[in-house]
Amino acid sequence: NAGVMQNPRHLVRRRGQEARLRCSPMKGHSHVYWYRQLPEEGLKFMVYLQKENIIDESGMPKERFSAEFPKEGPSILRIQQVVRGDSAAYFCASSPQPLQNMNTEAFFGQGTRLTVV
Amino acid sequence: GESVGLHLPTLSVQEGDNSIINCAYSNSASDYFIWYKQESGKGPQFIIDIRSNMDKRQGQRVTVLLNKTVKHLSLQIAATQPGDSAVYFCAETGSNDYKLSFGAGTTVTVRA
Repeated sequence: NAGVMQNPRHLVRRRGQEARLRCSPMKGHSHVYWYRQLPEEGLKFMVYLQKENIIDESGMPKERFSAEFPKEGPSILRIQQVVRGDSAAYFCASSPQPLQNMNTEAFFGQGTRLTVV
Repeated sequence: GESVGLHLPTLSVQEGDNSIINCAYSNSASDYFIWYKQESGKGPQFIIDIRSNMDKRQGQRVTVLLNKTVKHLSLQIAATQPGDSAVYFCAETGSNDYKLSFGAGTTVTVRA
């Protein structure tokens, strides 16, 4: 059973370009969470999705950022018109049930390191 | 969620000694706590978790202690090994929540 797969592992974009980050959850997991980590900091929640639904995007910037988790295929975090401040590591986690359920664990991917030049 | 923080940003420990990493949280509604280990260039790796109806839980070489009265969480690592060198994060969530709130992390360095 493969773990959470994120790609690309490293992504370099020029200011103004678009960045697309992909996350394939573990098999059987229908709950996906995206987090952002700045250097020397902890992870900050961005968005929680279930298949075809955004449940909570309270941690997402209102402009330029969007996320989806289609019925088929990976979850996508999309950043339009990137700026230098978007440079960070973006992590995806998945779980088989919502985290508040008993005996549910969130598994993290290896992350995508976005560098905006 | 409310803030989750760690008391010390770095910890240097001699190989073979025990390590204790502390974490304070402020959300009294938090009822599920997790410790993660993050090695350089990798994603967070689950170490151990604890629910608020417990005050202690043991794993392999690790023990998590929860003191709900003072909203304090600790991770104890027995016989620390070089492979334990990493950043350790505590994270919490509430029973009506689903997003994890992470602390800033403690960097543990094991001296040979």
